[in-house]
Amino acid sequence: NAGVTQTPKFQVLKTGQSMTLQCAQDMNHEYMSWYRQDPGMGLRLIHYSVGAGITDQGEVPNGYNVSRSTTEDFPLRLLSAAPSQTSVYFCASSPRPLGLNTGELFFGEGSRLTVL
Amino acid sequence: KQEVTQIPAALSVPEGENLVLNCSFTDSAIYNLQWFRQDPGKGLTSLLLIQSSQREQTSGRLNASLDKSSGRSTLYIAASQPGDSATYLCAPNGGATNKLIFGTGTLLAVQP
Repeated sequence: NAGVTQTPKFQVLKTGQSMTLQCAQDMNHEYMSWYRQDPGMGLRLIHYSVGAGITDQGEVPNGYNVSRSTTEDFPLRLLSAAPSQTSVYFCASSPRPLGLNTGELFFGEGSRLTVL
Repeated sequence: KQEVTQIPAALSVPEGENLVLNCSFTDSAIYNLQWFRQDPGKGLTSLLLIQSSQREQTSGRLNASLDKSSGRSTLYIAASQPGDSATYLCAPNGGATNKLIFGTGTLLAVQP
């Protein structure tokens, strides 16, 4: 199993451009999520999904869109990039939705985004 | 809102020492708590998952404890090695938000 795969690993954008960060997992996990990690701020939840066709907002959803058309894929879209979105983005998945019977959370290697 | 604090923020110890990393959280109504390790430029790796009904969980030289009522967890690392150098993060799951909320981590350096 490849686990959680994120692409691209590095990306530079200009303000106003759009792009999609890809996330795929091959573990048949129900739960998938996107975090951003900033110095001194820790990891903050952007969006999450508890199954195909179901998404919800996390702590910092503004400026980001997600969809979950398949169990395997959970892309994160930046519609109009801003310098404040410069960050490292992590995708994570878990066998079951977070809650009483959740399993471990598995992370991808991260995507480093710079917005000029 | 769940708030997670990790103390100390950074720690440097000589090889072979036993050490304790602390995690405190404000909302004790959690389902479980995970400890993660993050190496520079890498993603997070799950170390231990403690369910709310458990008091301890062990994996090799690592032992994590959970005191849900007081909102505290500790990660004990025995006989530390230079390869243990990394940032360690705790993340309680549940409470009012039913989400995994991360602390800012403890940066550990084990000197050979």
